[in-house]
Amino acid sequence: IAGITQAPTSQILAAGRRMTLRCTQDMRHNAMYWYRQDLGLGLRLIHYSNTAGTTGKGEVPDGYSVSRANTDDFPLTLASAVPSQTSVYFCASSDGATGELFFGEGSRLTVL
Amino acid sequence: GQNIDQPTEMTATEGAIVQINCTYQTSGFNGLFWYQQHAGEAPTFLSYNVLDGLEEKGRFSSFLSRSKGYSYLLLKELQMKDSASYLCAVKDSNYQLIWGAGTKLIIKP
Repeated sequence: IAGITQAPTSQILAAGRRMTLRCTQDMRHNAMYWYRQDLGLGLRLIHYSNTAGTTGKGEVPDGYSVSRANTDDFPLTLASAVPSQTSVYFCASSDGATGELFFGEGSRLTVL
Repeated sequence: GQNIDQPTEMTATEGAIVQINCTYQTSGFNGLFWYQQHAGEAPTFLSYNVLDGLEEKGRFSSFLSRSKGYSYLLLKELQMKDSASYLCAVKDSNYQLIWGAGTKLIIKP
């Protein structure tokens, strides 16, 4: 593993199903983030974690939950998916100096 | 509210120079980032400005004026591989990143 790994890369999901997007980093960064990216809109922060054991809500947290049991893993769960959650999801981590973000390759989710 | 404005799309010619502007209104300022994102890929870091002035890094330069709430990204000697979206983001007083919608740059031969 080098950097940030997300899984799955793509998924089609029926509305109402539960889905967890996985994110793992090997850079030992304290801060991690989940963003969604939709056409014509900037990246929008869903949830974040400044350090293992803590999480916080971003701009668009409704319908999503996260956990941060350790430094490396930061899964995002959709408890009951809805079509408006169709999007590309990016996990990111940041170093402490400038706050530069390092992104995973993204997970494209389609909810039907 | 907080807002980041960038042009939606720009077109330029291979070998030329292009300037992508970004204006922002945010609650506080703790730095401005530029990222490059090729279609279907993740954003990658280009530059970070926290003080006024020009930061040069190879063919790319980034300028910041905090008093005007303004930044630009300057790309010189354009190459076809520079066709991508360029994202401007500002770190606000809570150290949260506010993102612009991105500027899609199309390079023509």
